Amino acid sequence: EAGVAQSPRYKIIEKRQSVAFWCNPISGHATLYWYQQILGQGPKLLIQFQNNGVVDDSQLPKDRFSAERLKGVDSTLKIQPAKLEDSAVYLCASRPLRALEAFFGQGTRLTVV
Amino acid sequence: RKEVEQDPGPFNVPEGATVAFNCTYSNSASQSFFWYRQDCRKEPKLLMSVYSSGNEDGRFTAQLNRASQYISLLIRDSKLSDSATYLCVVKDSLGDYKLSFGAGTTVTVRA
Repeated sequence: EAGVAQSPRYKIIEKRQSVAFWCNPISGHATLYWYQQILGQGPKLLIQFQNNGVVDDSQLPKDRFSAERLKGVDSTLKIQPAKLEDSAVYLCASRPLRALEAFFGQGTRLTVV
Repeated sequence: RKEVEQDPGPFNVPEGATVAFNCTYSNSASQSFFWYRQDCRKEPKLLMSVYSSGNEDGRFTAQLNRASQYISLLIRDSKLSDSATYLCVVKDSLGDYKLSFGAGTTVTVRA
């Protein structure tokens, strides 16, 4: 079974630039999460989708971050404009509707310089 | 107060040793609990769920204490391959399946 796919794997941008990350969850998984993991910390939830609806985006910095999941499958996370403190690994995870285990992609490592 | 707090470690143990560490959670209504393992520069992967009665999976034993709101993980007969960061994960409330992660406990097993 194919896992959660994320791209790009690595991205280096200058502060104030824009960046977008893409996630393709495991087929059939209704729930999709975006997490931010800063070095030395645990993953922090940014946004949770169920199909194409947002379940929780309370920790998403909405002045600069946006995410969408059109058609309830793929998702994109955008940062505009980026700040130095956005340097982190952005992890996408998916889960079937009534299952408890979440499966993670390999993440996108963002460096803002 | 953070939703999920863990022993920061690092725990540096010799092969064959037993190592144990805890995690506390703040929401008494939390429903489900897990330990995820994260290798260096890799994504987190589920190690085991934590059940109310405690459960074992090979050399790994997980315990839940609802009264004191903590979870523990014990690793017996440590192997070099057990070196990783162990993330405590809590599912909050009944319906929304929000997963909250601790900062992780780093374990290094040395030869």
